[in-house]
Amino acid sequence: QQPVQSPQAVILREGEDAVINCSSSKALYSVHWYRQKHGEAPVFLMILLKGGEQKGHDKISASFNEKKQQSSLYLTASQLSYSGTYFCGTSGGGADGLTFGKGTHLIIQP
Amino acid sequence: DARVTQTPRDKVTEMGQEVTMRCQPILGHNTVFWYRQTMMQGLELLAYFRNRAPLDDSGMPKDRFSAEMPDATLATLKIQPSEPRDSAVYFCASGFSGNTEAFFGQGTRLTVV
Repeated sequence: QQPVQSPQAVILREGEDAVINCSSSKALYSVHWYRQKHGEAPVFLMILLKGGEQKGHDKISASFNEKKQQSSLYLTASQLSYSGTYFCGTSGGGADGLTFGKGTHLIIQP
Repeated sequence: DARVTQTPRDKVTEMGQEVTMRCQPILGHNTVFWYRQTMMQGLELLAYFRNRAPLDDSGMPKDRFSAEMPDATLATLKIQPSEPRDSAVYFCASGFSGNTEAFFGQGTRLTVV
């Protein structure tokens, strides 16, 4: 079952914050976040493995609510380089392959 | 600089022809994935291998797609016969097993006319 991402697209000014949500109808073992720029390969951002776990680096962080089967990606004080499509990928446990959401297109304007 | 290498980068072929895509995973990685990306479906998992053994190929149309790992340095994805609906970007990714990050190759853009 493909996770559902929201919003589908968001346009921000540089310096503004954004939240991207990912929810699943089935129990999650892990949530993976990737960013893809146009014409390029997806690039890994972070993995969340435990319920309630929060991770982050620089101004990008994420949380994982295992009970609600949801994860959120937080982008703080967005930079132009944050533009791209963000995907969450989920696994049900025991398997390495991911089921990805359809992506959230993020556009950062100067 | 370790990276996943995919060839060819672009392929245009006629319907009915055989297409083979190749992937060289990062040395030492024991898990290899094949994903397909289209505008309509997004990123879909086609198959993956762990220690060269196929673990899951449920995402592949079995009648025309096949994936193999002849050795640890080469993974192949073959389509025979190809159809226009197979047009997509095919990504190979590699990593270590156990929910770790996957490193994606640059993809093969396949166009079937």
